[in-house]
Amino acid sequence: DQQVKQNSPSLSVQEGRISILNCDYTNSMFDYFLWYKKYPAEGPTFLISISSIKDKNEDGRFTVFLNKSAKHLSLHIVPSQPGDSAVYFCAAKRIIQGAQKLVFGQGTRLTINP
Amino acid sequence: DADVTQTPRNRITKTGKRIMLECSQTKGHDRMYWYRQDPGLGLRLIYYSFDVKDINKGEISDGYSVSRQAQAKFSLSLESAIPNQTALYFCATSDLLRGHEQFFGPGTRLTVL
Repeated sequence: DQQVKQNSPSLSVQEGRISILNCDYTNSMFDYFLWYKKYPAEGPTFLISISSIKDKNEDGRFTVFLNKSAKHLSLHIVPSQPGDSAVYFCAAKRIIQGAQKLVFGQGTRLTINP
Repeated sequence: DADVTQTPRNRITKTGKRIMLECSQTKGHDRMYWYRQDPGLGLRLIYYSFDVKDINKGEISDGYSVSRQAQAKFSLSLESAIPNQTALYFCATSDLLRGHEQFFGPGTRLTVL
């Protein structure tokens, strides 16, 4: 049962344009959503997060939007740069038996073309 | 120096062998996690530990065991490796207040023949 889904395995965007990565979830108990970025041969690194009580969080070129009625979140990168080429994982947090747990999506490989 | 280190980085082994993957951290975090990544499945939680005396199963713990030897060390063992345990394994840490922000090691690529 995939509670967090990233339906696009890959995305290719021209340098300088906007990159939009999408994520859908099924569990209404998630209270925090996160995006992680992963380069080859490295572990994922935290990028940006949003609480379920908000609908937008911005950090420099990165903005995450949350639409709770649609159970959908997206990550916008503007403008896209070659260094943004990586795999992006969407994750959602919930409390289970008093413990915070993250559920990850499958990942989307973003390629920024010069 | 890396805050979260994993050894080995790559390992090839045979079915039935016992394998231990090690994780060390210098971040001073109490919470440590083991995940595996498979193509098309994202990261799935194997085990987690909130302190030295606390070990908990994640969603895919069958075939694995762990040991929290100290606050800074968390090992994952495959008692009898099987081919479908071929995957990329990540260790992660977090602190109490910001448990959603986890810090990952570089990963161990394990191949079971």
